Amino acid sequence: AQSVTQLDSQVPVFEEAPVELRCNYSSSVSVYLFWYVQYPNQGLQLLLKYLSGSTLVESINGFEAEFNKSQTSFHLRKPSVHISDTAEYFCAVSDPSGNTPLVFGKGTRLSVIA
Amino acid sequence: IAGITQAPTSQILAAGRRMTLRCTQDMRHNAMYWYRQDLGLGLRLIHYSNTAGTTGKGEVPDGYSVSRANTDDFPLTLASAVPSQTSVYFCASSDGWGTDTQYFGPGTRLTVL
Repeated sequence: AQSVTQLDSQVPVFEEAPVELRCNYSSSVSVYLFWYVQYPNQGLQLLLKYLSGSTLVESINGFEAEFNKSQTSFHLRKPSVHISDTAEYFCAVSDPSGNTPLVFGKGTRLSVIA
Repeated sequence: IAGITQAPTSQILAAGRRMTLRCTQDMRHNAMYWYRQDLGLGLRLIHYSNTAGTTGKGEVPDGYSVSRANTDDFPLTLASAVPSQTSVYFCASSDGWGTDTQYFGPGTRLTVL
């Protein structure tokens, strides 16, 4: 069975500082990996996803994540955060065979401090 | 384009009462899901449906039931609510599994007293 571990439940960071949100997964098969973001009082929305090809994937708002198969990780990074990045971030993994639904991590709350 | 709508937005319910949370999508997605979100526990899957007419159990199905009579609607019913079902409930849909993005509704905040 697949599982996702988000190592930090909360990450406070000053505005314009870099940030890394960590995600590790466990799976005996190849995987697809996702990061979703939840802004306050809203539902989740897709931030970026890795399906195949280049191991570095980027979002339109400056976030990037790198798939590292040897370390079973998919950490999310941004070189300079803004107040508007304050949100909860969820890492998720899915099975390419399509036999099981998406599995989410418990989330990391990013708080950007002015 | 509405995407996914959920109703009600919030509800306070007495324990033992029956409650149905409504979810409707207009994207003609095949798959739909119900999650509950609790502090410190993240998002947990309650039930899902691959396609109209089929449903499956997720991680925390006890106390909940679902039906999928057509493509667009996926109601979640609490037959006899208990305080531990106090949570924020999210409905989501996707065209398929695997690579497909899930689209989430705005959520229903349910309090069971």
